[in-house]
Amino acid sequence: GAGVSQTPSNKVTEKGKYVELRCDPISGHTALYWYRQSLGQGPEFLIYFQGTGAADDSGLPNDRFFAVRPEGSVSTLKIQRTERGDSAVYLCASSLANREGTEAFFGQGTRLTVV
Amino acid sequence: AQKVTQAQTEISVVEKEDVTLDCVYETRDTTYYLFWYKQPPSGELVFLIRRNSFDEQNEISGRYSWNFQKSTSSFNFTITASQVVDSAVYFCALSEELRANSKLTFGKGITLSVRP
Repeated sequence: GAGVSQTPSNKVTEKGKYVELRCDPISGHTALYWYRQSLGQGPEFLIYFQGTGAADDSGLPNDRFFAVRPEGSVSTLKIQRTERGDSAVYLCASSLANREGTEAFFGQGTRLTVV
Repeated sequence: AQKVTQAQTEISVVEKEDVTLDCVYETRDTTYYLFWYKQPPSGELVFLIRRNSFDEQNEISGRYSWNFQKSTSSFNFTITASQVVDSAVYFCALSEELRANSKLTFGKGITLSVRP
């Protein structure tokens, strides 16, 4: 596709359940980012991939959160034992890796609601 | 630690008015990038402008212009002759150092409403 695609667009899950959120970046973009946006706040960085490896996972809040990008393209953000506080919009972005300060292109996000 | 402050939370203007969105940042880095993103109701963050810390020249791009002042750590954004389609949440963001693909620190955003 032309842009960053995230699925599902909405996810409602029960507290304690496991969820997976998918991100399909722009073709050719080697850098991929996950951000979390709570209501009324700006996006907060979670993790950044360069190719298949997590170059910076300093934003992951705890060990319930994990992300993978096994083939350097699609990424999955995994949340175990979900809590109500995990409810937010999860944004994925991608960018080219060969330009300084290049802008990131964002998807429309997955709205996660934990009930 | 990096920090971006957008003191304005909501701004409402009438169409064709000019509007300036304020942004103040804090960083220990000597080199960095600053960005403005727009988030319409659809939710997707749309890139608007980027400025590196070396270049304080202010520019105009269509109806958008920005005023970067390193001495006051401010990066303000102006929309000239606002239109209803400009209604959105606007985020200022700061990169971590002047390197490729660094993570961004965002402000809380400013909700702009442009009335017909």
